[in-house]
Amino acid sequence: EVQLVESGGGPVKPGGSLRLSCEASGFTFRSYAMNWVRQAPGKGLEWVSAISGSSSDRHYADSVRGRFTISRDNAENSLYLQMNSLRAEDTAVYYCVRVLGGPPAAAGAGWFDPWGQGTLVTVSS
Amino acid sequence: EIVLTQSPGTLSLSPGERATLSCRASQSVSNNYLAWYQQKPGQAPRLLIYGASRRATGIPDRFSGSGSGTDFSLTISRLEPEDFAVYYCQQYDSSITFGPGTKVDIK
Repeated sequence: EVQLVESGGGPVKPGGSLRLSCEASGFTFRSYAMNWVRQAPGKGLEWVSAISGSSSDRHYADSVRGRFTISRDNAENSLYLQMNSLRAEDTAVYYCVRVLGGPPAAAGAGWFDPWGQGTLVTVSS
Repeated sequence: EIVLTQSPGTLSLSPGERATLSCRASQSVSNNYLAWYQQKPGQAPRLLIYGASRRATGIPDRFSGSGSGTDFSLTISRLEPEDFAVYYCQQYDSSITFGPGTKVDIK
C-alpha cells in the first residue's frame, strides 16, 4: 500500500523554526517528485514547495521562498520541509504528496496522489 | 499565475440528485492539465480526476470530469450520502494552483 506519514508539526513562536518530515512507503520513492501542500484552518489548499526525484530541481511558492527549504533522503524514503522565520500566516495543516504525471519538463508539477494525513503547524506567541 | 475560480461556492442538493461543479481558469490550461479532489471534514484531500477527465483508481463512475481550455466541470451523476464534501480543482500546467473549492452539502 502506498502511504505517506507526516510528522514534526506543533506549536512554535513567530520567528521560530520547525522541520517537518514525511516517511514514504509502498513505492519506489526516488522515482517520484514530491510536494508539500498546506491548508490554513477553515481555508483552501495552497501549494508550498516541490522537489524532483533526484533533488536537482526545487521550487517554492512566493509566500515561503527564502524561508522554507525542501529536501529529501532517498535512502531513507523521506521528505523534509525546513521552515524558518515562521509567521502567524504559516499556521496550517501541512500535507506531503506524491506527484504523478504533468509536464515532463516541470519537475513537481502534476496531480497529487496519495496525500499524507497532514501535520498541524501553529505559529502563535 | 493561473487563477482558478470555482462556482458555485456552495451547492445544496439531495441524495440521488445530479451535481455539476464548475472550475474556470484565468488563462488556457494546456494539455488538460487539471485535476479534481474531494475533501471531507478532518481528512486529507483525495484525488478523483486527472487530465480533466480521467478517473483515478477506485473512483466510482458516477464521478466524471470534462472541459478544456479555460472551462472545466466535475459532474456527480447521482449523489450518494458519502459524496457530500468540498471539491477542489487544481491546475498543473503552469506551476500549481488550486481553486477555492465548492462545498456540496445536503439540502
